[in-house]
Amino acid sequence: GESVGLHLPTLSVQEGDNSIINCAYSNSASDYFIWYKQESGKGPQFIIDIRSNMDKRQGQRVTVLLNKTVKHLSLQIAATQPGDSAVYFCAENYSGATNKLIFGTGTLLAVQP
Amino acid sequence: DAGVIQSPRHEVTEMGQEVTLRCKPISGHNSLFWYRQTMMRGLELLIYFNNNVPIDDSGMPEDRFSAKMPNASFSTLKIQPSEPRDSAVYFCASSSRQGGEQYFGPGTRLTVT
Repeated sequence: GESVGLHLPTLSVQEGDNSIINCAYSNSASDYFIWYKQESGKGPQFIIDIRSNMDKRQGQRVTVLLNKTVKHLSLQIAATQPGDSAVYFCAENYSGATNKLIFGTGTLLAVQP
Repeated sequence: DAGVIQSPRHEVTEMGQEVTLRCKPISGHNSLFWYRQTMMRGLELLIYFNNNVPIDDSGMPEDRFSAKMPNASFSTLKIQPSEPRDSAVYFCASSSRQGGEQYFGPGTRLTVT
């Protein structure tokens, strides 16, 4: 019979548009958050991080927003390019307790040329 | 700088055989993590080490799995005996600080027939 895999949310955007990928995290005590990008056949790659004492952080073409009130994290990618096509994971950590990162299930970003 | 190095990149073996996966973390990093990624379960943390000492192995599936870190520059993940359900991509990651960003290797794709 068929095996049932994870159903990844998919975001499809046109090249040049802005992308917003969302993540709901689980632990209200988490104080450190990371976004990773995973291209097909590769390991997850660090994109940007943010600590809980901030609500916004910007990198090159990427911005992470943190809303602790509703335990929500988002990644904004400006002027999305075909090379941005990948699965994006958010990860959280409670640094006071553990070295572990807890990863979300991921979102597939598909950039249409 | 060399990133996390994993070997082999691909491994195909028969059920019942012993499999050993290898990892060299980034020089100077003192935390090392082993993950497994499948379509069914996503990215799962198996075990992690701080300063070569296993800290949390609660993600190790069963006694068939074991991991060692004999020194700061080398770790192994062993499966004995292997089973078809162990087929997955196994990632090693390293980190330089408590709860900080983790840098992933390219992964080992294991197929057990």
